[in-house]
Amino acid sequence: TQLLEQSPQFLSIQEGENLTVYCNSSSVFSSLQWYRQEPGEGPVLLVTVVTGGEVKKLKRLTFQFGDARKDSSLHITAAQPGDTGLYLCAGAQGGGADGLTFGKGTHLIIQP
Amino acid sequence: DVKVTQSSRYLVKRTGEKVFLECVQDMDHENMFWYRQDPGLGLRLIYFSYDVKMKEKGDIPEGYSVSREKKERFSLILESASTNQTSMYLCASTPSRGRPMNTEAFFGQGTRLTVV
Repeated sequence: TQLLEQSPQFLSIQEGENLTVYCNSSSVFSSLQWYRQEPGEGPVLLVTVVTGGEVKKLKRLTFQFGDARKDSSLHITAAQPGDTGLYLCAGAQGGGADGLTFGKGTHLIIQP
Repeated sequence: DVKVTQSSRYLVKRTGEKVFLECVQDMDHENMFWYRQDPGLGLRLIYFSYDVKMKEKGDIPEGYSVSREKKERFSLILESASTNQTSMYLCASTPSRGRPMNTEAFFGQGTRLTVV
């Protein structure tokens, strides 16, 4: 089983602050995804990155895939209480039929 | 709107009972998965299926079995429920093999199972 290490595990910050969540592995992935999960619900896909060095932006969220396709980061600018949730990174190897490898997640709380 | 639907949001079962968790997707996806999610352990893959009547063990298959008689339906079976199977169970589906973008998983809302 390939491992994805996420850090930090928990993060509580004030509204308006910036933050970065990291997802690291010793393995190479063909693609890496970020999901957001709210309590009592299933994860919902935010973004998929495929190319080493790729940067994708989703409003105030910026996702980056490492050059070697082993790590990724999620940066949130001017965090808002609606950003609160569990953020999961997941790596795929091959075509995805073998399932994704998930990190344990980062619990993010944005305080008003 | 694409959808993965799990039959129950909450279940309470007794130790030793046989438990069925059902999952249906309406996206004509080839691949379907069952994960369990536990605090501090994240999502762990139990079983997956890439075609009707096909199944593959994931990382933690012990105590579970699955059934995929139709493309859209993937069932998880706990043969004899035990308290250590109390967990959040998540079903997911992805399109067919081939392109990296087809690894995007669509999840159901989850079933919180409590075994007493």
